[in-house]
Amino acid sequence: DVKVTQSSRYLVKRTGEKVFLECVQDMDHENMFWYRQDPGLGLRLIYFSYDVKMKEKGDIPEGYSVSREKKERFSLILESASTNQTSMYLCASSLNIGLYEKLFFGSGTQLSVL
Amino acid sequence: RKEVEQDPGPFNVPEGATVAFNCTYSNSASQSFFWYRQDCRKEPKLLMSVYSSGNEDGRFTAQLNRASQYISLLIRDSKLSDSATYLCVVNIMDTGRRALTFGSGTRLQVQP
Repeated sequence: DVKVTQSSRYLVKRTGEKVFLECVQDMDHENMFWYRQDPGLGLRLIYFSYDVKMKEKGDIPEGYSVSREKKERFSLILESASTNQTSMYLCASSLNIGLYEKLFFGSGTQLSVL
Repeated sequence: RKEVEQDPGPFNVPEGATVAFNCTYSNSASQSFFWYRQDCRKEPKLLMSVYSSGNEDGRFTAQLNRASQYISLLIRDSKLSDSATYLCVVNIMDTGRRALTFGSGTRLQVQP
């Protein structure tokens, strides 16, 4: 079974801190994604990557950056955390981008910014 | 207008009931469609893809109506274990977009 592991289940940070969310997948998937999930808004795509060192903006990239130095690892960075970035962050990976691409998700990181 | 819209529910149904959810999408460039299931405080998992001719997987039936731009999910003989949030997901393959778009989900509560 594909395993997508997120480094923290719960995280509490202060406004202005730099925050790193780490995600690792063990199935040699090319594609990795970061979503945030908020009540009533569903999952919204922040950034994704389809190859090492490649990244593309999703629908809500403002305030975030990403890093993909190795194929199995995709990091989400909040340069200066703000309270409106309090959310559930979900990492996902997939084998290929096609019509019937299947996403595998990590168990999520609930980030609270105080 | 959201690209993928769902009735948030909750749909409260008794065990054994049949329940159906609809999902509408606004972008005619949408090419493939899915239902994901998300249990409380868990990650989403693929339930089934939705094919043009409609498809069935046990008690679950998915339909696509391209003319009216909606997909549906029918659950027959509901079980308590079907209680979850069902996410409608669309693959919009127009220029520059290479990722799935999720609806905000429909919550189902099956009661004994």
